[in-house]
Parts: sequence; structure tokens; C-alpha cells
Amino acid sequence: QKEVEQNSGPLSVPEGAIASLNCTYSDRVSQSFFWYRQYSGKSPELIMSIYSNGDKEDGRFTAQLNKASQYVSLLIRDSQPSDSATYLCAVPPRNNRKLIWGLGTSLAVNP
Amino acid sequence: DTEVTQTPKHLVMGMTNKKSLKCEQHMGHRAMYWYKQKAKKPPELMFVYSYEKLSINESVPSRFSPECPNSSLLNLHLHALQPEDSALYLCASSQTTSGGWNEQFFGPGTRLTVL
Repeated sequence: QKEVEQNSGPLSVPEGAIASLNCTYSDRVSQSFFWYRQYSGKSPELIMSIYSNGDKEDGRFTAQLNKASQYVSLLIRDSQPSDSATYLCAVPPRNNRKLIWGLGTSLAVNP
Repeated sequence: DTEVTQTPKHLVMGMTNKKSLKCEQHMGHRAMYWYKQKAKKPPELMFVYSYEKLSINESVPSRFSPECPNSSLLNLHLHALQPEDSALYLCASSQTTSGGWNEQFFGPGTRLTVL
């Protein structure tokens, strides 16, 4: 089992819809979870961090963490074509040696 | 606007050249990172500096040589690279390397092409 798993996509949603991106992780003691957005040819941009069970909202973005089920999700409300990008989930392992990255989910928002 | 800057944005070099990539962060962070990223792959960690000391070297070939002159600056010296080293090189910084403060903020990257 990979340490951090994401569906590679592409996930295609119409403009204005809710995009739901999922990430599962294998280390039960993980405490921090990060979502990065990466546009083609650009660097990753941190868009959400979540540490506690439940939901965290920031504008059109909501991160949801369920430690019992070992998944973290990112919801994008009112999706815009400018949200089209690859979304990377990253989790620091228990030894804090380095971030463990998922392979990313490609999101396409169609006008 | 990013608070982690990298120069140059693009670099083309031959296999016998020596070049350097530069990174600067203006956030007062004490940890800095070098990553390599290939197309459609996540970033791959190369080096970590914590409080200006090299703390992690992910078995990177010696043709890559990092340097941290001070807490704000990070360099990556390149020598005798191979074409397969062509990639996007990313610098990142974080408050420290531990636990919940490991939010890493990336610079815009240097697109390196080795001919």
C-alpha cells in the first residue's frame, strides 16, 4: 500500500459545480495534512493545511479530515476554469523526515 | 507574490558546464529545501537544511552540491550534469522541519535543461 494515495484523474467538472478531491494515507499517527495546487509548468502552492478532525473552510475551499478512516479531502465549491490544475496531497510522516506526497489529481473545470 | 524567490527562471547548460541555482526566502524560516520535479510527478526531495546545517541528503549524486550561506539563502551548485537531470528545480522553506510547522512554501522554480 502506498503511503499517500490519490486518484490520478483527470477529474472533470462543469463550471459552478463542486469538485471533490480525495487522499488516503497509511500512517495512523499522522498529524498534519497539506493540499497543494500546481498549475502546469509552475511550482506547487499551498492552499490548505488541516490538523484536526472535521472541516476547515477557506473561501471556496473546504478540507475535511477523518483520522479514523485515514482520509483527507478537498472540496472546491463554485468551481472555476482557473481551478484547473493538479492538486497534490502531502503528509509529514511520524519521523518528520520528509513530506510524503501523493501523485496528484488532475482537475479540469469546463466552462 | 511569492516570498521565496529563485534565480534563474530558466537555465540551459552543457554537460561540462558549472552553474548555480539560487534561492532566497524572506519569511524568517529556519528550514530550506531543494526538490527536483519531473513532469507529472510529485516533487522529489533532494536536500534539507535546518538552521543552516545540512540535515538530509536523499542520496543525491555529488554532481549536485548544496550550500546554505545564511538562514535566508540557499544555493545548488551544478557540475557535470547529465541530460536526465533536466527538470524543474524547486526551493522551499518552512518554519522548522518538525511536526505541524512543516508547511512548506515553494519558490517559482528553475527550469533546467541539460544538453
